[in-house]
Amino acid sequence: QVQLVESGGGVVQPGRSLRLSCAVSGFIFSDHAMHWVRQAPGKGLESVAFISSDGITKSYADSVKGRFTISRDNSKNTVYVQLNSLTAEDTAVYYCARVGSALDYWGQGTLVTVSS
Amino acid sequence: IAMTQSPATLSVSPGERATLSCMAGQSATNNLAWYQQKPGQAPRLLIYGAFIRATGIPVRFSGSGSGPLFTLTINRLQSEDFAVYYCQQYDNWPGTFGQGTKVEIK
Repeated sequence: QVQLVESGGGVVQPGRSLRLSCAVSGFIFSDHAMHWVRQAPGKGLESVAFISSDGITKSYADSVKGRFTISRDNSKNTVYVQLNSLTAEDTAVYYCARVGSALDYWGQGTLVTVSS
Repeated sequence: IAMTQSPATLSVSPGERATLSCMAGQSATNNLAWYQQKPGQAPRLLIYGAFIRATGIPVRFSGSGSGPLFTLTINRLQSEDFAVYYCQQYDNWPGTFGQGTKVEIK
């Protein structure tokens, strides 16, 4: 069955960095684009970043452009997002999702808390 | 593309119908999805392509409309349907979500 498992979340100080990972199984990873979505506490969903199946095309929400970098390793069935220059507004649960018929499979999320 | 959902909260009795709306800020294609999210859970895809039910989604969930106005209808609401619903356009990735509609028990 399809599984997506995020990791790498935690508490980090403002201005610091964090790298999140999403390991997938149950489907041919290299056939699918991938996506990161975040959700601040008590708030709605916000698209963060997209990466094509071959890793060449990447796009970002304006709120994270220049600070976040999405990447993937098709040999490891893993997608990453590097979070730099973090602020309190980046505190959220970060989900990875498969791009199929829209976002058809989601992980359970990893919590990032930015606090001093 | 900004997405606006209405209403913010919808109070419905079990067994009744719920109608949720989603307006795309610009006239959009049918690259429109609906997701359901329950507390403490990841979102679940319900509808894509504006009206196509995702795998395993009950027939009481239906999507309709075309750019810029889309609708999610839930017929004969069951207890497990009380949740927050989000629309998302994916004309261009990363897509844009609406702010959500909470469907609560009346």
